[in-house]
Amino acid sequence: GAVVSQHPSWVICKSGTSVKIECRSLDFQATTMFWYRQFPKQSLMLMATSNEGSKATYEQGVEKDKFLINHASLTLSTLTVTSAHPEDSSFYICSARETDSFYNSPLHFGNGTRLTVT
Amino acid sequence: AQSVAQPEDQVNVAEGNPLTVKCTYSVSGNPYLFWYVQYPNRGLQFLLKYITGDNLVKGSYGFEAEFNKSQTSFHLKKPSALVSDSALYFCAGLLSGGYNKLIFGAGTRLAVHP
Repeated sequence: GAVVSQHPSWVICKSGTSVKIECRSLDFQATTMFWYRQFPKQSLMLMATSNEGSKATYEQGVEKDKFLINHASLTLSTLTVTSAHPEDSSFYICSARETDSFYNSPLHFGNGTRLTVT
Repeated sequence: AQSVAQPEDQVNVAEGNPLTVKCTYSVSGNPYLFWYVQYPNRGLQFLLKYITGDNLVKGSYGFEAEFNKSQTSFHLKKPSALVSDSALYFCAGLLSGGYNKLIFGAGTRLAVHP
């Protein structure tokens, strides 16, 4: 089945530093990937849609300069949290689908990255 | 506004008993609905989806869901719960109108007791 690999699984960084999270589709090509953020005991909040070869589409209220998304190939999207602050601490999850349509394939999720900013 | 709701924060059931996790939706047009399960510190795993056709959808790990248009519901069910089914369950719906993205319910924690 389709596998999405996300790294690192957890990271601790100091306030003011930047952190990069990678999301790879291992056995399929993904023109579109999605980045979510999940707060404790809450649902997933869509942050942005990552499009291969073009700029990401950010959801309302998500700072594009803070959460940099790059989708340089059909199997890799990265999320960089720039100048991280404690309030950025969260669980970040990426996802991708095998085709361009939700009708034909569901979203496959990575295992998430637990970011803790001290 | 389009939305997906899971009215129960937690569902408790004894092992071997049937379980139901509720979901209601409010989306424009034909609904496309999904169920996902999340284990601690993990991403979401796809269980099943309703696109069209039979109202009873069968999915992974013995789960099934019943689509009910008149009640705008898509409840997740399993005839006999296992302790290993204990996890966080999310219902999701595809936003219509060309948005091409999923919206998730708040999640329901299922606890299956031995």
